[in-house]
Amino acid sequence: KQEVTQIPAALSVPEGENLVLNCSFTDSAIYNLQWFRQDPGKGLTSLLLIQSSQREQTSGRLNASLDKSSGRSTLYIAASQPGDSATYLCAVKEGSSNTGKLIFGQGTTLQVKP
Amino acid sequence: DGGITQSPKYLFRKEGQNVTLSCEQNLNHDAMYWYRQDPGQGLRLIYYSQIVNDFQKGDIAEGYSVSREKKESFPLTVTSAQKNPTAFYLCASTWGRDSPLHFGNGTRLTVT
Repeated sequence: KQEVTQIPAALSVPEGENLVLNCSFTDSAIYNLQWFRQDPGKGLTSLLLIQSSQREQTSGRLNASLDKSSGRSTLYIAASQPGDSATYLCAVKEGSSNTGKLIFGQGTTLQVKP
Repeated sequence: DGGITQSPKYLFRKEGQNVTLSCEQNLNHDAMYWYRQDPGQGLRLIYYSQIVNDFQKGDIAEGYSVSREKKESFPLTVTSAQKNPTAFYLCASTWGRDSPLHFGNGTRLTVT
């Protein structure tokens, strides 16, 4: 059974710091992996989607990498800002699934201090 | 602007009552999903629908029901059979397998 883990559960950094959020999954047979952001009391916003054949995706200050063989993905945030404070979730879509179902990690709550 | 609208934002019900959560999308997406989010447990799939008039149970479907009569709409009914209905409910949709999942802003249901 696929399990997705995000460590740490919470992270606090000073403004301007570069940081890395981690996501690991137990079954490497994934179809793709998606990173989301969630602000308190809100829905999820898609940040980046990496297909299984890709190694990384970039959007602005965000860079997500994928290493299927080791079951890991990282989300790199450059020059963090207080507005980056939110919970970041990763989710995998299994390769064998035709349902589009995503399996989510529990998220890392990031606080960027001014 | 295209998007997913969930209503209401907050919902309060007495135990034993059924309640229906609305989800409407104007993104022309075929597939729609309902997730439940509880503190410390991440998101869990309740039901999903890949096409009109068809839907499938997710991991935690007991005590819930859905319908998909129109492409744009995927309402979720929380029945009195659901033992712990208090939660944050999220509706999502997507074009297809290679596309990102888009979410609504959620409905927070409190049952007392």
